[in-house]
Amino acid sequence: AQSVAQPEDQVNVAEGNPLTVKCTYSVSGNPYLFWYVQYPNRGLQFLLKYITGDNLVKGSYGFEAEFNKSQTSFHLKKPSALVSDSALYFCAVRGAYSGAGSYQLTFGKGTKLSVIP
Amino acid sequence: EAGVAQSPRYKIIEKRQSVAFWCNPISGHATLYWYQQILGQGPKLLIQFQNNGVVDDSQLPKDRFSAERLKGVDSTLKIQPAKLEDSAVYLCASSRGRLVEPGELFFGEGSRLTVL
Repeated sequence: AQSVAQPEDQVNVAEGNPLTVKCTYSVSGNPYLFWYVQYPNRGLQFLLKYITGDNLVKGSYGFEAEFNKSQTSFHLKKPSALVSDSALYFCAVRGAYSGAGSYQLTFGKGTKLSVIP
Repeated sequence: EAGVAQSPRYKIIEKRQSVAFWCNPISGHATLYWYQQILGQGPKLLIQFQNNGVVDDSQLPKDRFSAERLKGVDSTLKIQPAKLEDSAVYLCASSRGRLVEPGELFFGEGSRLTVL
């Protein structure tokens, strides 16, 4: 079965500084990896995904993520943090084929990002 | 396009009572998911529908939880009887469901359940 680990419950960063939110994964076969963001009292929003190709993928709101196969990691990054980036971030991995043309996602427990003005 | 709609947004019930949550996915999305998100944890898949058929319900506590997706559009998740540990946010999500577009789920805002 696939799994995702987000080792940090909370990450604090000063506005304007670079940020990194860590994620490691375990899955059989080729990894399909995702980042979602959740603002307070809202549903999750898709940020970016890695399917294949370049190890650095770019997504919404200036975020990017670096895929490292040897370290089984998929860390989320942003060169310059904004206060509005403060939210809960979830890493997810696509699991095995569920049947009938669909897959399921397994999510990590989330990392709370706080950007300090 | 309109997003995933869920109702009610908030519900408070006593233990052993019943509750139902409704979800209307994005138009044309074949796959619908119900996730349970307990405070401090990531979303956990309860059930996944492809059109009106169940694809995966392996983590659904079937002694108390049930879900249906009649006509392959909107869906209802029911809990009866509720337990204290069912307090959580119930998230509905949908996706086009095609193999070439894996993983991008569209989530509703969730239904927050408090069981007293």
